[in-house]
Amino acid sequence: DAGVTQSPTHLIKTRGQQVTLRCSPKSGHDTVSWYQQALGQGPQFIFQYYEEEERQRGNFPDRFSGHQFPNYSSELNVNALLLGDSALYLCASSLVAGYSLTDTQYFGPGTRLTVL
Amino acid sequence: AQKITQTQPGMFVQEKEAVTLDCTYDTSDQSYGLFWYKQPSSGEMIFLIYQGSYDEQNATEGRYSLNFQKARKSANLVISASQLGDSAMYFCAMRLSGNTPLVFGKGTRLSVIA
Repeated sequence: DAGVTQSPTHLIKTRGQQVTLRCSPKSGHDTVSWYQQALGQGPQFIFQYYEEEERQRGNFPDRFSGHQFPNYSSELNVNALLLGDSALYLCASSLVAGYSLTDTQYFGPGTRLTVL
Repeated sequence: AQKITQTQPGMFVQEKEAVTLDCTYDTSDQSYGLFWYKQPSSGEMIFLIYQGSYDEQNATEGRYSLNFQKARKSANLVISASQLGDSAMYFCAMRLSGNTPLVFGKGTRLSVIA
């Protein structure tokens, strides 16, 4: 049973560039959530995708955008990168958009983005 | 809005001993779920244990148990018989009903000493 996978593992970009991060959910899951984890902090929710639509969004600017494909995989795009975007980006998958409290989000290994 | 507080930035425990990691939460909702995750240096968040606000029994999963005190709004994680592989960051998280995202605390770094 494949878990959540993310690519790439590490990425180095310069300010102003654009980046795309990828996530494949755990087998059987249809919902993908993205989180940003700055150094020394807990993860912060960016947005969630279900049925190829953005269902919820955290307090992030619209430089952060995403997409979900018919196979439930997802992309996170960040435009006009800032130094403050340097972080670990975590993808989590769950079943049926988490309408049950017991619905557990399973996380991937993350993509570490460094903006120079 | 909900909030999670983890007041212990770092904890040390001797191998084979038990350790308690503190977590307090704040919400006015009656229906919520509490989660603990482990994050090794590799970065992946590993789900450990879940407690629902209406669960009457404290949750247990192997060596992990959750000391849930609803009136005090605390959900402390107890790890019994600590192992060297337990060294990691531990995060407490909360979610309200109705498909809300997880809200995490700042985490506690646990170091297990041989």
